[in-house]
Amino acid sequence: QVQLQESGPGLVKPSETLSLTCTVSGRSISSYYWNWIRQFPGKGLEWIGYIYASGTTNYNPSLKSRVTISVDTSENQFSLNLNAVTAADTAVYYCAAARGGHLPYWGQGTLVTVSS
Amino acid sequence: EIVLTQSPGTLSLSPGERATLSCRASQSVSSTDLAWYQQKPGQAPRLVIYGASSRATAIPDRFSGSGSGTDFTLTISRLESEDFAMYYCQQFGSSPLTFGGGTKVEIK
Repeated sequence: QVQLQESGPGLVKPSETLSLTCTVSGRSISSYYWNWIRQFPGKGLEWIGYIYASGTTNYNPSLKSRVTISVDTSENQFSLNLNAVTAADTAVYYCAAARGGHLPYWGQGTLVTVSS
Repeated sequence: EIVLTQSPGTLSLSPGERATLSCRASQSVSSTDLAWYQQKPGQAPRLVIYGASSRATAIPDRFSGSGSGTDFTLTISRLESEDFAMYYCQQFGSSPLTFGGGTKVEIK
């Protein structure tokens, strides 16, 4: 059973960088595609991107200019950096593991608020 | 980008009734690339159906999925109290991965 846990600041100032880490347990990070997904207060879900253990990434074009996803295989972690944030980036951020395009494993989510 | 449109927005039903949820794609999606999730308040989405019709681990057989091309359906044959929740469809046949806007199944 794969378990994921997000960690990082719950409050970020406008124009700064949102940084989150997802710690994976129960399975080597060398398996699956590791995703970041966010859910806005109005409940819509938006896929941010994924990384594979090899370092291959795929980002949502709507965020591509501001997003970096990286992986640390030695720590079984992967991370999200989203720069130049605005209030529109306020959301619950989830990390999730993908297999065959679907997402059987999710973290519990962490609320990130962008505000001064 | 493939846009997924779910209908209805809200479904008001009683326990024991049948729920039929629709997901329509703006372009054809391979059945292998269509999934459904259940989400309850304060929780992460939970995979219910993958490959359009395969039940995920521990999902009861009252849940079934069907469809192909641009039209997909999630059916709950007899609603139980724990089934009242939000449901989202999702595709990854074409990047970016996208989700539908959701259908809320509420108690009538």
